[in-house]
Amino acid sequence: AQTVTQSQPEMSVQEAETVTLSCTYDTSENNYYLFWYKQPPSRQMILVIRQEAYKQQNATENRFSVNFQKAAKSFSLKISDSQLGDTAMYFCAFMKRRDTDKLIFGTGTRLQVFP
Amino acid sequence: NAGVTQTPKFQVLKTGQSMTLQCAQDMNHEYMSWYRQDPGMGLRLIHYSVGAGITDQGEVPNGYNVSRSTTEDFPLRLLSAAPSQTSVYFCASSLGTGGPYEQYFGPGTRLTVT
Repeated sequence: AQTVTQSQPEMSVQEAETVTLSCTYDTSENNYYLFWYKQPPSRQMILVIRQEAYKQQNATENRFSVNFQKAAKSFSLKISDSQLGDTAMYFCAFMKRRDTDKLIFGTGTRLQVFP
Repeated sequence: NAGVTQTPKFQVLKTGQSMTLQCAQDMNHEYMSWYRQDPGMGLRLIHYSVGAGITDQGEVPNGYNVSRSTTEDFPLRLLSAAPSQTSVYFCASSLGTGGPYEQYFGPGTRLTVT
């Protein structure tokens, strides 16, 4: 069975600074996808970034980038130039290539951005 | 496009009562899923559907029923509510085969069972 672990229940960062959220996962699959979702206080789940396991290049979306280490089964999210609107819960999630209807989530990291 | 809609937004039930959480999407998505979110546990898959007439169990299916008679709707039924079902419930949909495509989430339903 696949598991996703987020070992940082809470993080904080000052506005304009950089913060990295950690995620590790366990799987015997070779083909899979990894995601970071953001859940602001509104409760809406928003996709931040995704990574295909077969791609060595790390995904980037504006101020958000990942450090994907397949051998170490690590998938961290870096947020640059943090903004107050980045305050949210962040969930790491895993999806098998052959089960594209199922997401397996970590327990989340609560990020607070301070002015 | 309204996207994924869920009703109600909030609900309080007494133990033993039944109810249906509604979910609808207007994006012609093939896949639909129900997740529950509990403090400290992230989101867990309850049931999912890969098309009209096809449903299957996820990680935590006990106490819940689903059906998918149309592409648009995927209701979640609680037959006899228990306090352990107090949670926030999310419905999600995605395009379907050939993916993975982004899963779009509804706004959630906060359910309290007393």
